[in-house]
Amino acid sequence: QVQLQESGPGLVKPSGTLSLICSVSGGSISSGNWFNWVRQPPGKGLEWIGEIDYSGSTNYNTSLKSRVTISVDRSKNQFSLKLTAVTAADTAIYFCARAVSWIDAFDIWGLGTSVTVSS
Amino acid sequence: DIQMTQSPSTLSASVGDRVTITCRASQSISGWLAWYQQKPGKAPKLLIYKASSLERGVSSRFSGSGSGTEYTLTITSLQPDDFATYYCQQYNSYSRTFGQGTKVEIQ
Repeated sequence: QVQLQESGPGLVKPSGTLSLICSVSGGSISSGNWFNWVRQPPGKGLEWIGEIDYSGSTNYNTSLKSRVTISVDRSKNQFSLKLTAVTAADTAIYFCARAVSWIDAFDIWGLGTSVTVSS
Repeated sequence: DIQMTQSPSTLSASVGDRVTITCRASQSISGWLAWYQQKPGKAPKLLIYKASSLERGVSSRFSGSGSGTEYTLTITSLQPDDFATYYCQQYNSYSRTFGQGTKVEIQ
C-alpha cells in the first residue's frame, strides 16, 4: 500500500526558501501518476501548488508559478517542493498527494506538515 | 484558470438528513470533478471521482452527479461521522483547482 510522508523545516524566515520533501513508500514513483503539493493556510481551504510526473514533467498553479519548483528523485523515491521569497501568507499545512492519471483525483495523501513563516 | 464556486459555505443539518452541496466551474470541465471530505487536523479523503464514481471503501450514502459546469455531492441519511468539511476539485488543461469548501455542521 503506497504511503506518502512530508518532511522539512517547520519554520522559515521571511524572504527565505521553503523546502519540503515527500517520501513515497510501498510503491514507486511510476508512470500513470502525478505527484502533487497542496497547502492549507490556518482555518482556510485547500490550494493546489503543483505536480510532477515520473519523467519530471511539471504543472504549476499560475499564481505561484514564479516562485515554485517541484522536482523528483526516482532513485530515492522522493519528490520535493521549493518555494522562494516566502511571506507570512505562505504559512500553511503542506500536503503531498498522488493523483492517478485515469481518475485525475488525489487518492493518496500524506499526513501534512506545518510550515510557519516568521522571523 | 478555471474557478470553482462551491455552495453553500456552511450547512446546518441533523442526523438522518439528506444534504446536497453544489460546485460550479467557470467553464466546462467535462466531468473531471472530485469530492473530498476533510476532518480537523486530517488530510482530505477522496469520496467521488469523475463526477459520479464512488471511491472504493466509501459509503454508498455519498453520491455525485453533474456535467459541464454544474456538479453536486449528495449525502443521504447523514451520520455523526459525516460532519466535516467537503471540497470539490477539478482537473482541466494541466491545472487543478479546489472549491472553497462546505462545512457541514450539526444543527
